[in-house]
Order: sequence, then C-alpha cells, then structure tokens
Amino acid sequence: GAVVSQHPSWVICKSGTSVKIECRSLDFQATTMFWYRQFPKQSLMLMATSNEGSKATYEQGVEKDKFLINHASLTLSTLTVTSAHPEDSSFYICSGFRGRSDIQYFGAGTRLSVL
Amino acid sequence: AQSVTQPDIHITVSEGASLELRCNYSYGATPYLFWYVQSPGQGLQLLLKYFSGDTLVQGIKGFEAEFKRSQSSFNLRKPSVHWSDAAEYFCAVVLTGGGNKLTFGTGTQLKVEL
Repeated sequence: GAVVSQHPSWVICKSGTSVKIECRSLDFQATTMFWYRQFPKQSLMLMATSNEGSKATYEQGVEKDKFLINHASLTLSTLTVTSAHPEDSSFYICSGFRGRSDIQYFGAGTRLSVL
Repeated sequence: AQSVTQPDIHITVSEGASLELRCNYSYGATPYLFWYVQSPGQGLQLLLKYFSGDTLVQGIKGFEAEFKRSQSSFNLRKPSVHWSDAAEYFCAVVLTGGGNKLTFGTGTQLKVEL
C-alpha cells in the first residue's frame, strides 16, 4: 500500500514559537494532501486541503494565518503552526490522496504540546 | 444536517466473539463509504471501502461491511475478534462531487477481553 510519512511524531514547544510539521508521500505522488486535527477521544476534523502548486483551501473556522500550509511538490506538504499557544496543543494528521484509487493514505500523526 | 454517526462510543467484546460496529449517515445522495482503524502510534489504516456495486464489501484483517441504502447504514462486522483488533474505528464518507474530503464519524473504541 501507499505510505505517508509524517515528521516529527511528537513536538514540544514554548508558547509564541512556530512549529513545522512535514508530510511526505513516500511511494506515490499526492496531488492533494489533507490536514486534520484530532482532539483527545474525538474524531478527526479537516483543517485544510492542500493542492500541489496552489494555495491551500481552509475549512470554515480555521485560521489560515496561524496554520500555514505549503505544498511545494507532489510528495511534500508542510503545516506550520505560527505563534503557537497552549490551545493549539493537539494531534495533527496528514493524508495524501492518490487520485486514481479515490483513497486517502494517512500519516501516523504529530502530537503537538505547547507549554 | 449532513453527518456521520457512530452510535457506540465504546464496545467491549471477548476474544473469539463476533463484532458489529454501527455507522449511519445522513446525506441526500449515497456517498463513498469507508472504514478506518486507528492504533496508537500508527496512521489510520483503511479497512475497506464502498463506492458502488455489491453491497457486501470484504476488507483486510477479516473485516467486512454491508451497505444498506434503506437504512443509510454501513456497519462493520467481523465473525471472530482477535486481541490485536483492539483499536479505534472510524467510519467516514466522501460526498460524490465533494472534493474528496473525508467526513469522519466520532469513532468507536473497541476493547477486546481475553
């Protein structure tokens, strides 16, 4: 199956700093990548859709200036949490969409803790 | 409102027993339907999917699901559960023409008693 690698798996940062999370499709080209946020014991909520070479499309209520998404190549998308605050602490998950199969393949997630 | 519902937050079964996890959706048209499993430290893994055709779908790890249009349901089943099946299970849908966006249910935490 298709593999999506997400890095780092866990990050702790101080309030006010920025954190970058990488999402790579290792064995396929992902024209579209998705970013989700998951709170403890809750479901995944879509934050944004990232298409290679174009601006990301954010879901309603997601601050695009706080959650910067870049999809510079067909195998890499990054999520930068800018000026992180404790309420940004969460589990962030990315997925790569392999178009022909209509299936999303998920990374293992990144746990962000903001102190 | 359009939604995906998993009525059972927690389910506990004995190893070797059968399992059924419920999923209902409320959309005007039949969406694409998926079941994913999430284990600690691992990414969500696709168990099976339904796009069209045969309403009984076979997946990996011995799982199957049945699409019932009349009930707007897509329940996941396994005849004999193994201890390694303990995990969080998510039902998800993609609306046709919805830009491939997945909408997830709230999840069902499965506990397996030995």
